[in-house]
Amino acid sequence: KQEVTQIPAALSVPEGENLVLNCSFTDSAIYNLQWFRQDPGKGLTSLLLIQSSQREQTSGRLNASLDKSSGRSTLYIAASQPGDSATYLCAVQGPAGTALIFGKGTTLSVSS
Amino acid sequence: DVKVTQSSRYLVKRTGEKVFLECVQDMDHENMFWYRQDPGLGLRLIYFSYDVKMKEKGDIPEGYSVSREKKERFSLILESASTNQTSMYLCASTHRGSGANVLTFGAGSRLTVL
Repeated sequence: KQEVTQIPAALSVPEGENLVLNCSFTDSAIYNLQWFRQDPGKGLTSLLLIQSSQREQTSGRLNASLDKSSGRSTLYIAASQPGDSATYLCAVQGPAGTALIFGKGTTLSVSS
Repeated sequence: DVKVTQSSRYLVKRTGEKVFLECVQDMDHENMFWYRQDPGLGLRLIYFSYDVKMKEKGDIPEGYSVSREKKERFSLILESASTNQTSMYLCASTHRGSGANVLTFGAGSRLTVL
């Protein structure tokens, strides 16, 4: 059964720092991997989606990479800002149409 | 923008009550999902649906049922609410098929069962 792990569970950094969030999964037969952001008490907002044939995706200050063979993905946030403070979740999708399986998230706090 | 709307942001119910959580999406998505989110446990899949009148059990279906009579609407039903069903409930939807389809979530419904 697919398992998704995110390390660390929590991270505190000063404003302006570049940082990396990690996600690992046990079964490399994935269809895609998605990164989400969740603000306290709110729903999830999609940040980036990497299809299984891709190695990375970029959106603004965010860059996500995927290494299927090693079962790893990273989310790189450049020049962090206090507004980036949130919980970041990664999720993998198995065969087409199946539900996403989520990690428990990394809670990021960026101090000004 | 795709919109997934959950009818109630906050609900307080009593043990034994029947509870309906409604979810509507406006982008003709085939797939719809109900998750619950609890501290320390993350998001867990309750039920999902690939099409009208179709449903599949997720990881934790016990105590829940679902209804999908129209493509845009997916309802989660707690037949007899219990205190251990106090949680944040999240609905999501996506198109079927392509690996490029982003999962879109609603704002969530926080249910408290007393």
